[in-house]
Amino acid sequence: NAGVTQTPKFQVLKTGQSMTLQCAQDMNHEYMSWYRQDPGMGLRLIHYSVGAGITDQGEVPNGYNVSRSTTEDFPLRLLSAAPSQTSVYFCASSYSGVPVYEQYFGPGTRLTVT
Amino acid sequence: GENVEQHPSTLSVQEGDSAVIKCTYSDSASNYFPWYKQELGKRPQLIIDIRSNVGEKKDQRIAVTLNKTAKHFSLHITETQPEDSAVYFCAASIRETSGSRLTFGEGTQLTVNP
Repeated sequence: NAGVTQTPKFQVLKTGQSMTLQCAQDMNHEYMSWYRQDPGMGLRLIHYSVGAGITDQGEVPNGYNVSRSTTEDFPLRLLSAAPSQTSVYFCASSYSGVPVYEQYFGPGTRLTVT
Repeated sequence: GENVEQHPSTLSVQEGDSAVIKCTYSDSASNYFPWYKQELGKRPQLIIDIRSNVGEKKDQRIAVTLNKTAKHFSLHITETQPEDSAVYFCAASIRETSGSRLTFGEGTQLTVNP
């Protein structure tokens, strides 16, 4: 199993550009989530999904969209990039969200917005 | 929503000493409390977790204690080794109608000096 994979590993965007961060898992996990990690801060939840077709907002959803058309994939879309979105983005998956089990994290995407 | 506070933000110990990291949470409905270790440039990885129906859990040199009345939980690492040096994050999970959400503390940078 590859586990949780994320692409790209690094990305530089200009303010106003849009892009999609890809996340995929091959563990047949129902629960998937996106976090951002800023220096000196913990992980903050952006969006999460408890199964295909179901998504919900986390703590910091503004400026981001998600969809979950399959169990395996959970892409994160930045609509119009801003410097405040410079961060490391982690995707995570878990066997279930109700109740919650161990979350497995992907390797992260380091995004810089200039 | 849930708020998780973690202390201290940095901790330096000598090899062989014990290290204790403490977290408090705000929502009494929280029912799952994981601890993650993140080495520099790597993804967070679960090291131990505890559910609200258990007061203490131990795994070799690592233990977690939970006090539901006071709404705090702690990570204890005994006989620390240089490879324990990393950032440690606590988290608390609360179940919501659309699934469970994890809220993370801001992290503790642990340095074990040989």
